[in-house]
Amino acid sequence: DTEVTQTPKHLVMGMTNKKSLKCEQHMGHRAMYWYKQKAKKPPELMFVYSYEKLSINESVPSRFSPECPNSSLLNLHLHALQPEDSALYLCASSHTGADQPQHFGDGTRLSIL
Amino acid sequence: DQQVKQNSPSLSVQEGRISILNCDYTNSMFDYFLWYKKYPAEGPTFLISISSIKDKNEDGRFTVFLNKSAKHLSLHIVPSQPGDSAVYFCAASSGGGADGLTFGKGTHLIIQP
Repeated sequence: DTEVTQTPKHLVMGMTNKKSLKCEQHMGHRAMYWYKQKAKKPPELMFVYSYEKLSINESVPSRFSPECPNSSLLNLHLHALQPEDSALYLCASSHTGADQPQHFGDGTRLSIL
Repeated sequence: DQQVKQNSPSLSVQEGRISILNCDYTNSMFDYFLWYKKYPAEGPTFLISISSIKDKNEDGRFTVFLNKSAKHLSLHIVPSQPGDSAVYFCAASSGGGADGLTFGKGTHLIIQP
């Protein structure tokens, strides 16, 4: 069982659609993360939120728009995606102190038609 | 430029024996190292971590060793069990907290009965 919940588990969308991925945790973590994982590759960091403020953006295209409405929720808004954006999108959370492990959800499998 | 390297894509070990997974890193700023286990269709599950101020950390059947001078860490699993069959990712971070993880490409561990 994962304590980080991601919805939906699967998403198929066209290149002109707008959709959102959601992530929720109730572990009291104040750092939340989005990663992207392509097939047969390791996860790659996209965004980091610390105390609900964006602290790291790894030069992600603007068609990906993160949002952290409160300390338990993290969203990733998607618009005008490309086929190469098809991937597994993973959310993680952690405490903000040093040497704190990140805990991952099971991800959203995104397919762009 | 790969900052975290797992040079063995796969490893086959007999049940009951020791599994040793290796990881090398190049970035001297990394000061916290983690191992994750991943089953298909699930997110990475945190296994064990080690801070750069230590050279060994043990948790049940899992032990992680860190050799800072060689920039090398290893995960020992003993005894290996069939449920240990999964992909194992080595990850590293720096900065003291709420920092993204850099992952290796993973090692697929197969436990043979």
